[in-house]
Amino acid sequence: AQSVTQPDIHITVSEGASLELRCNYSYGATPYLFWYVQSPGQGLQLLLKYFSGDTLVQGIKGFEAEFKRSQSSFNLRKPSVHWSDAAEYFCAVGGGSGNTGKLIFGQGTTLQVKP
Amino acid sequence: DTEVTQTPKHLVMGMTNKKSLKCEQHMGHRAMYWYKQKAKKPPELMFVYSYEKLSINESVPSRFSPECPNSSLLNLHLHALQPEDSALYLCASRPTSGGPSEQYFGPGTRLTVT
Repeated sequence: AQSVTQPDIHITVSEGASLELRCNYSYGATPYLFWYVQSPGQGLQLLLKYFSGDTLVQGIKGFEAEFKRSQSSFNLRKPSVHWSDAAEYFCAVGGGSGNTGKLIFGQGTTLQVKP
Repeated sequence: DTEVTQTPKHLVMGMTNKKSLKCEQHMGHRAMYWYKQKAKKPPELMFVYSYEKLSINESVPSRFSPECPNSSLLNLHLHALQPEDSALYLCASRPTSGGPSEQYFGPGTRLTVT
């Protein structure tokens, strides 16, 4: 079955501390992987994506993610968190070539940032 | 222009009303999506349009009726909704030419059914 697991429902970090959000996936084909961020009441903004090539991908707002095929993981990292990073983070798989590009989302991780 | 716009931002409707949500993109994308999102949950796919044709309906109740009048515009017609249909409705679009690509999301319409 195709699925995405984000093991951490809620994470709290201090401002300036490093961050890692975990994502594990189960997907039958070549996985195309995404991290989206959502502020309260807003739409989803793409942070970064992995299609192929270099397994360490850089995104917007200082985020990066590493694809590890052997662990079926695509964890999101940021070396120093800012208060404005507080939001909901969704990992997703799918979106392949073709006409539908259906995404499978994880349940999300809520990030709280302490001053 | 990498923007997906949605109107209205907020909508309150009674269970007997008929209303419509609108989504627009001018990026030349030929796949467009409607999602429903409840608080603290991931978006749930409702419909996918590809080249203005409905390609996926995720068993959505008939009180939700999608329409794609042209390649830039996507509507969601609402009729006889239930209070449990209150949610954030998100539209997204995606290019379909060539290889894999990401979906671009609009800001959403917050719907309240009274």
